[in-house]
Amino acid sequence: GEDVEQSLFLSVREGDSSVINCTYTDSSSTYLYWYKQEPGAGLQLLTYIFSNMDMKQDQRLTVLLNKKDKHLSLRIADTQTGDSAIYFCAETHNNDMRFGAGTRLTVKP
Amino acid sequence: GAVVSQHPSWVICKSGTSVKIECRSLDFQATTMFWYRQFPKQSLMLMATSNEGSKATYEQGVEKDKFLINHASLTLSTLTVTSAHPEDSSFYICSASDPSSYNSPLHFGNGTRLTVT
Repeated sequence: GEDVEQSLFLSVREGDSSVINCTYTDSSSTYLYWYKQEPGAGLQLLTYIFSNMDMKQDQRLTVLLNKKDKHLSLRIADTQTGDSAIYFCAETHNNDMRFGAGTRLTVKP
Repeated sequence: GAVVSQHPSWVICKSGTSVKIECRSLDFQATTMFWYRQFPKQSLMLMATSNEGSKATYEQGVEKDKFLINHASLTLSTLTVTSAHPEDSSFYICSASDPSSYNSPLHFGNGTRLTVT
């Protein structure tokens, strides 16, 4: 099975907040990442968090890390239609990166 | 910011032919690049780790004679799909780590969609 798990789908209304959750298994992961994949494109690094941090905020994005529960979340405030994409969380350890299956975010007008 | 360029972005080839995909780091030197394959509605699967000046390291189940990787310089890695078959049709993505960057995140190319007819 997957080392990194995410729910596959999330649907929100424009203007609402989106929260995408992720669980991982490697407690020694140094960094945890969120990537965005738009249709037909490669992955775009959105944000990352170092494993000794609990929270990181970057404009509309807030990353929360619960290291005890190995739980990572990405909150997108004021979600827009342009945020519709697949979001992957990833953990990295010793240059090996493992991804979740991706969460497809659909934003309805 | 760091940019990884992948070419071509899409390619259609006939069964039995070979296809070469290039991955370039444009503004940093990457001693290590990674090749992934993405099946529809699935996560990226790491195929191999490409090391400059040495042989690539392949993940279990990936045929090294079918997916030839060459990392001849610090800015270029190539993946050649040899004797392609329809089941090789997929989305291939490369990535490279910028060692000069504080957290060395992976930067990805835009991917290559391969269709084998």
